[in-house]
Amino acid sequence: SQQGEEDPQALSIQEGENATMNCSYKTSINNLQWYRQNSGRGLVHLILIRSNEREKHSGRLRVTLDTSKKSSSLLITASRAADTASYFCATDAGQGAQKLVFGQGTRLTINP
Amino acid sequence: DVKVTQSSRYLVKRTGEKVFLECVQDMDHENMFWYRQDPGLGLRLIYFSYDVKMKEKGDIPEGYSVSREKKERFSLILESASTNQTSMYLCASSFWGPQHFGDGTRLSIL
Repeated sequence: SQQGEEDPQALSIQEGENATMNCSYKTSINNLQWYRQNSGRGLVHLILIRSNEREKHSGRLRVTLDTSKKSSSLLITASRAADTASYFCATDAGQGAQKLVFGQGTRLTINP
Repeated sequence: DVKVTQSSRYLVKRTGEKVFLECVQDMDHENMFWYRQDPGLGLRLIYFSYDVKMKEKGDIPEGYSVSREKKERFSLILESASTNQTSMYLCASSFWGPQHFGDGTRLSIL
């Protein structure tokens, strides 16, 4: 079952611009996570935001969470060519278990 | 750094074969997971394990089984491989929260 749905499916921007990706989910959660996947590689964890948090920063990443709208956004500022990757949100579906449900991802391309 | 190692990056097998995919983690994590990733379908959970000898079905367990005899090792078994099991297989481990992934095994069933 797909819990998270990312939007847009693909995004292409110029280097230096900001990139914003959105994620919506259906059920209550304990936390929401964002991951990056470079082509042909495994996923890398970027950031986790708990359900009682509204915003979190990590370097050039900013994540927001709106539990009333069941949505989250990932902002990458001052994008670089190395940010080209697919980005996935994942939720724990509030079950208290450690398993995650992933969205289908946003394919981000940074053009030099 | 957590290291999750999958035994093969690329694997080619024939239909009907029994296929073993191995995953080893070095951080003493209780939780381990197997996913498959297909274009347009994202990551789908096949099986996961909370502890040695314990396993739980994920969303798409049909045609697969798993084994966890030691804490660091989680094996995925395709009992009788079929062409619709051609996919990218990803293993992950976690203690709590963030999951740590291997680089994946791209499996082709001919």
